[in-house]
Amino acid sequence: GAGVSQTPSNKVTEKGKYVELRCDPISGHTALYWYRQSLGQGPEFLIYFQGTGAADDSGLPNDRFFAVRPEGSVSTLKIQRTERGDSAVYLCASSRDPAEEQYFGPGTRLTVT
Amino acid sequence: KNEVEQSPQNLTAQEGEFITINCSYSVGISALHWLQQHPGGGIVSLFMLSSGKKKHGRLIATINIQEKHSSLHITASHPRDSAVYICAVRNSGGSNYKLTFGKGTLLTVNP
Repeated sequence: GAGVSQTPSNKVTEKGKYVELRCDPISGHTALYWYRQSLGQGPEFLIYFQGTGAADDSGLPNDRFFAVRPEGSVSTLKIQRTERGDSAVYLCASSRDPAEEQYFGPGTRLTVT
Repeated sequence: KNEVEQSPQNLTAQEGEFITINCSYSVGISALHWLQQHPGGGIVSLFMLSSGKKKHGRLIATINIQEKHSSLHITASHPRDSAVYICAVRNSGGSNYKLTFGKGTLLTVNP
């Protein structure tokens, strides 16, 4: 079946602009995760959704970052007033259950100029 | 100090060589993952293990819970094994959904 998909695959934006990154999880997966991976680093946890609610948003770096999952399926990560330091690959993953294996999407490479 | 440390950071091998990548962690975990990431590509899960040893094809993963250490071995390495290999630990307790990742090991296998 289809895996986790993310759009766009690449996004270039100017400093100060607003961006939205989309994640389509595997059908039936109730748990959804966002991670950020900077160059040469491992991914870092941003936020975890169980169903429609954000069960843990402790990894969001500041209040410019926000994520939603209104119908418990697709999720959107929103970044306001982007800064050059936000440039990274944003990864989404989903799992059937929070204790089970996570399946990763291909990521969105965000570049803030 | 990172909670998850991998070594080496970079590894170059000749085709056919036996490869070992190490991972040490400092926190209590419920499971450990080995992941593969190709340049420009997404992350693929290779193993999730909480004890002992798992094998899949030419890949073997072991974990020693007491020593807080895991190894990923690749037998008869091939250029298509070239990728970044990432160790990630799954928290124990109530936040067992949360993964903490190492920085990765860049493996290059030359023909």
